[in-house]
Amino acid sequence: DSGVTQTPKHLITATGQRVTLRCSPRSGDLSVYWYQQSLDQGLQFLIQYYNGEERAKGNILERFSAQQFPDLHSELNLSSLELGDSALYFCASSTSAVPTEAFFGQGTRLTVV
Amino acid sequence: TQLLEQSPQFLSIQEGENLTVYCNSSSVFSSLQWYRQEPGEGPVLLVTVVTGGEVKKLKRLTFQFGDARKDSSLHITAAQPGDTGLYLCAGPSPRNFNKFYFGSGTKLNVKP
Repeated sequence: DSGVTQTPKHLITATGQRVTLRCSPRSGDLSVYWYQQSLDQGLQFLIQYYNGEERAKGNILERFSAQQFPDLHSELNLSSLELGDSALYFCASSTSAVPTEAFFGQGTRLTVV
Repeated sequence: TQLLEQSPQFLSIQEGENLTVYCNSSSVFSSLQWYRQEPGEGPVLLVTVVTGGEVKKLKRLTFQFGDARKDSSLHITAAQPGDTGLYLCAGPSPRNFNKFYFGSGTKLNVKP
């Protein structure tokens, strides 16, 4: 158990809809990272938050947004969903703003139908 | 192009064989991490290498960081079916330390 909790584990929704994925980092970790992993592909970095503020942005679509709350949990919002958004979405956390290692949750599997 | 290139992409071997997977970059990394991911699960951190030339051992796994800190390798001795999984290298982007990038991974299958 990494200590990072993601909910829900599975999500099935229709095209055009909006969903919110939730992540609770390890106790004491201030950084939260979001990654997308499509079938048989590597992890694509989406966005990082550190202590409530956006720290770094990767290949995140404009239809996607994220935030980190005062209690350090984070949410990833995906809107106007398309079939191609179906993927595993992982959240990871680390202690510092500059990542040396990250601890991952078990992911949310999103299926857009 | 990927910042971190991993090879081979796929590897299928018999139990008891040895193997090496590689992680290469044209950029210098301050550190590299190796993760193992099983289907449907999140990646699990195996090791972090920081110093050029560093070698770290984790039971049957040996990790090496290149002298120039541009590459790393993972060697598994006497592979077992439990080693099956996706092996990923990762590290903070040399251009923006805040971005943490992963290689595309090596998918290992160890047959009993």
